[in-house]
Amino acid sequence: QSALTQPASVSGSPEQSITISCTGTSSDVGGYNYVSWYQQHPGKAPKLMIYDVTNRPSGVSNRFSGSKSGNTASLTISGLQAEDEADYYCSSYTSSSTRVFGGGTKLTVL
Amino acid sequence: QVQLVESGGGVVQPGRSLRLSCAASGFTFRTYAMHWVRQAPGKGLEWLAVISYDGSNEYYADSVRGRFTISRDNSRNTLYLQMNSLRAEDTAVYYCAREMVGAIYFDYWGQGTLVTVSS
Repeated sequence: QSALTQPASVSGSPEQSITISCTGTSSDVGGYNYVSWYQQHPGKAPKLMIYDVTNRPSGVSNRFSGSKSGNTASLTISGLQAEDEADYYCSSYTSSSTRVFGGGTKLTVL
Repeated sequence: QVQLVESGGGVVQPGRSLRLSCAASGFTFRTYAMHWVRQAPGKGLEWLAVISYDGSNEYYADSVRGRFTISRDNSRNTLYLQMNSLRAEDTAVYYCAREMVGAIYFDYWGQGTLVTVSS
């Protein structure tokens, strides 16, 4: 099972919007609406930000949104804030009943 | 409140075995599937294994299938990962994470335990 493909890094200025892509195959991202996104600050455990492609858990800012088209899912963060600077990982269910993560994207808030 | 506390990490020689534990509290453990995920130093997250809420089903990543075994004891609210034939590339922080039945996402994670495989 190959890791999902994410850009290594993205950056944006405060109040701007950024989008992180997550590309898989028809056996994972494209085959199911089971993409989730996680935020990880240095030295901390990951935190769920988006589940089932578009859903936000209670307590997560509505500045975070998710979408999917074909084999590519995306996480958009609007109104960037300093505290958004972190690593972001996508994850998908697979046709083998396993899970797979993306390689991770480092977000820098300029 | 929900707590997942991993333990059992440490330094181990290549080829040896180690068993990790994840103690759960603050929720009904037996109603959640449980996962192990690891993160090598400076690297990304790697999913390793999942066990169903009742222990009847297990699935593994190709990288650990045949060497690692996931198990659980619902009477003790504890998840385990038995790791055999350890290699240097198994050096990582190991996290346990829960997944509600019917859901396909990790809604809560432990803080991790570090395993270092070195002679």
